[in-house]
Amino acid sequence: DADVTQTPRNRITKTGKRIMLECSQTKGHDRMYWYRQDPGLGLRLIYYSFDVKDINKGEISDGYSVSRQAQAKFSLSLESAIPNQTALYFCATSVRQGSAGELFFGEGSRLTVL
Amino acid sequence: AQSVTQPDIHITVSEGASLELRCNYSYGATPYLFWYVQSPGQGLQLLLKYFSGDTLVQGIKGFEAEFKRSQSSFNLRKPSVHWSDAAEYFCAVASTDSWGKLQFGAGTQVVVTP
Repeated sequence: DADVTQTPRNRITKTGKRIMLECSQTKGHDRMYWYRQDPGLGLRLIYYSFDVKDINKGEISDGYSVSRQAQAKFSLSLESAIPNQTALYFCATSVRQGSAGELFFGEGSRLTVL
Repeated sequence: AQSVTQPDIHITVSEGASLELRCNYSYGATPYLFWYVQSPGQGLQLLLKYFSGDTLVQGIKGFEAEFKRSQSSFNLRKPSVHWSDAAEYFCAVASTDSWGKLQFGAGTQVVVTP
């Protein structure tokens, strides 16, 4: 089983619908992140959480919200999806120190908003 | 603000030939630098990282990268590519106070021909 699991892996939805992408990890890491990947733009940080009570906005948080339900779970929500939120979304984790900076990624959730 | 530039969007290389992927960064202090690889349908995997010390860094899968402060570069190299090296490669930078908050380049797609 993957250490960082994202569900769903693929989702097609319509404009205005609420969507939740879920991420769970078995690595025991404190830090979790949501990134968005668009062709030609690389990955951009949406939200990050350094522990259960710590949630922070990233570079492109508008239109998104997150919930850190437990150390192992970090969900990303689109309250009212729009077509330009069509992208590949990645959850990632990292340790607090030691191999600092190394991110461990899930396999991605491809979202299409029609 | 920190930024990362990967000048080559797409590179085609013959199997067995050498490969060099360019990465330039803009950052006020010495950054932490990373190269990640994304195979088709997969999440990103860390190839190597530079924090300090020896400017030539060895990574997994036979890759190495050289940090050149004077050129603000962190180019990735492999002496002899294999067909399995076909993937997208991302350079990323982080600051000392932002573990995990990586700034990614746009990526370089590598195609390996027989």
